[in-house]
Amino acid sequence: KAGVTQTPRYLIKTRGQQVTLSCSPISGHRSVSWYQQTPGQGLQFLFEYFSETQRNKGNFPGRFSGRQFSNSRSEMNVSTLELGDSALYLCASSLVQGSMNTEAFFGQGTRLTVV
Amino acid sequence: AQSVTQLGSHVSVSEGALVLLRCNYSSSVPPYLFWYVQYPNQGLQLLLKYTSAATLVKGINGFEAEFKKSETSFHLTKPSAHMSDAAEYFCAVTPNNPGANSKLTFGKGITLSVRP
Repeated sequence: KAGVTQTPRYLIKTRGQQVTLSCSPISGHRSVSWYQQTPGQGLQFLFEYFSETQRNKGNFPGRFSGRQFSNSRSEMNVSTLELGDSALYLCASSLVQGSMNTEAFFGQGTRLTVV
Repeated sequence: AQSVTQLGSHVSVSEGALVLLRCNYSSSVPPYLFWYVQYPNQGLQLLLKYTSAATLVKGINGFEAEFKKSETSFHLTKPSAHMSDAAEYFCAVTPNNPGANSKLTFGKGITLSVRP
């Protein structure tokens, strides 16, 4: 069974640009969550999508947005990039049983560098 | 709000020695608890989880953790460290209620070094 796939693995962008990251969850997993990992702030929850709807949201500015498609694949977009957005962005997928999520399985991440 | 505290940022042990990584949580009700491991330039791999069943949880690679409600702790242990255990370890908590339990709150992480 294929794991969580994130593309691309590495990205270099310039301040002010926008970027889109992609995540394909494990087959059958309908919940996709996104996390930002930085040396200073650690791992922080961005948002979660379930059945194409944002179900939970962390404390990030509106420049960070996402969406989920009918096949459960998800994209995350960051507009007007700032140097502080440089981070490892991790996607996690979960199986939903009843209305509870099972454990999260993580992809290898996308390393975004803003210059 | 839930939170997780991992004391210390770095632990160093000799190969074959006991590994003990500490995690304390703050939550008004017993949450779900997890330990994840991260190797350099990789994502997170689940080691084990506590979801209100047995308080002693066994995970992969010989790791285990014990949920102690009275101490609000969920420490990770391994009897004998191996060189391949060198990595960063994260304790995480999530609410034990439907619809909200997708959000993982992580501790700051502990880097484990293993000396030959």
